[in-house]
Amino acid sequence: AQSVTQPDIHITVSEGASLELRCNYSYGATPYLFWYVQSPGQGLQLLLKYFSGDTLVQGIKGFEAEFKRSQSSFNLRKPSVHWSDAAEYFCAVINTGTASKLTFGTGTRLQVTL
Amino acid sequence: DTEVTQTPKHLVMGMTNKKSLKCEQHMGHRAMYWYKQKAKKPPELMFVYSYEKLSINESVPSRFSPECPNSSLLNLHLHALQPEDSALYLCASSWRDSLGQPQHFGDGTRLSIL
Repeated sequence: AQSVTQPDIHITVSEGASLELRCNYSYGATPYLFWYVQSPGQGLQLLLKYFSGDTLVQGIKGFEAEFKRSQSSFNLRKPSVHWSDAAEYFCAVINTGTASKLTFGTGTRLQVTL
Repeated sequence: DTEVTQTPKHLVMGMTNKKSLKCEQHMGHRAMYWYKQKAKKPPELMFVYSYEKLSINESVPSRFSPECPNSSLLNLHLHALQPEDSALYLCASSWRDSLGQPQHFGDGTRLSIL
């Protein structure tokens, strides 16, 4: 079965600093990968997705992610973090055995200091 | 603002009560999902409906009973819940129940079982 690993449980960055959140997946073929963000008390919002093609994908709110097959990674980046980016971030993969089943990583909580 | 609307936002119920959670979307999506999310954990899939038919039940206890009366509406009927069922219940929808379709989430119903 496919799985995703988010090695960092908690990350703190200063406002204006760059951000990289790590995500590693395990799957033999090209996976369908997603990044979601969850603010406190809210549902999940899709930031970006990767299915195929260009390995650098742009998302909403200034986020981007790069798919690296050689490293089995799909890291999320943002050049300059804003205080409003403080939230929980989930990497997810589609289980291609069941088209609609999203498997989430354990999440990374981002704290932004002013 | 989310395009998937969940009501109520909060629900407190006793173990002998019967209540229902409601989810509505008007995006023309034909796949709808229920997830359960415990604190500081990722969402876990419970049920998937595709074209108003139940396609996935992730071995959820029978005290949770889903219903999809039409293409825009998804209910989760609750009866005789246990304290460990206290969680955030998230509804999601996607264009179709097919590979790679991104899921759009509501803000959830926070359920507390007394």
